[in-house]
Amino acid sequence: GENVEQHPSTLSVQEGDSAVIKCTYSDSASNYFPWYKQELGKGPQLIIDIRSNVGEKKDQRIAVTLNKTAKHFSLHITETQPEDSAVYFCAATYADGLTFGKGTHLIIQP
Amino acid sequence: GAGVSQTPSNKVTEKGKYVELRCDPISGHTALYWYRQSLGQGPEFLIYFQGTGAADDSGLPNDRFFAVRPEGSVSTLKIQRTERGDSAVYLCASSLSGGEFVYEQYFGPGTRLTVT
Repeated sequence: GENVEQHPSTLSVQEGDSAVIKCTYSDSASNYFPWYKQELGKGPQLIIDIRSNVGEKKDQRIAVTLNKTAKHFSLHITETQPEDSAVYFCAATYADGLTFGKGTHLIIQP
Repeated sequence: GAGVSQTPSNKVTEKGKYVELRCDPISGHTALYWYRQSLGQGPEFLIYFQGTGAADDSGLPNDRFFAVRPEGSVSTLKIQRTERGDSAVYLCASSLSGGEFVYEQYFGPGTRLTVT
């Protein structure tokens, strides 16, 4: 089955700086890669996703890149704000259920 | 519009008891998923429904876990003879469809199950 590795487990950045979270996956058949943001006591919220036929996707301050050859994908958040503080999860699938990474706790320092 | 809803939000039960967790998906979403999230971990896939049928139940940990979706909308996750290791947040997600083209999955707030 699919295995998703996510790094780092904790990331602390100064407000206004950029944050990058990286994930690798094992199954070359995976073709859909979403990112979720989870705040304490809430369910995961989809923030951006990318499909295997695209190398990069951007939505305002967030962007995702995908390298199919290396089987890794990354989340980039620019101009970080206090409300970006949360746990971020990457995931991968080719069908049925998502396989998630273990999460990155993003801390925005004022 | 209304998102995915789950009830109850919290459930405390004693070891050995039976529990039911309910999920109400987004209207019009034919695919429904159950996940389990332990503390400090990412969600773990349990089961996927396409319409009324369980298309993939490979994530269910053992035969104490069962889920139904009799009318293709609301789903119930049932856990028999609960054990302390079943304590976790149970998440439900829904999407427009499933299968070869993967649609976005939207999650509910989860049910926190505590087995004492």
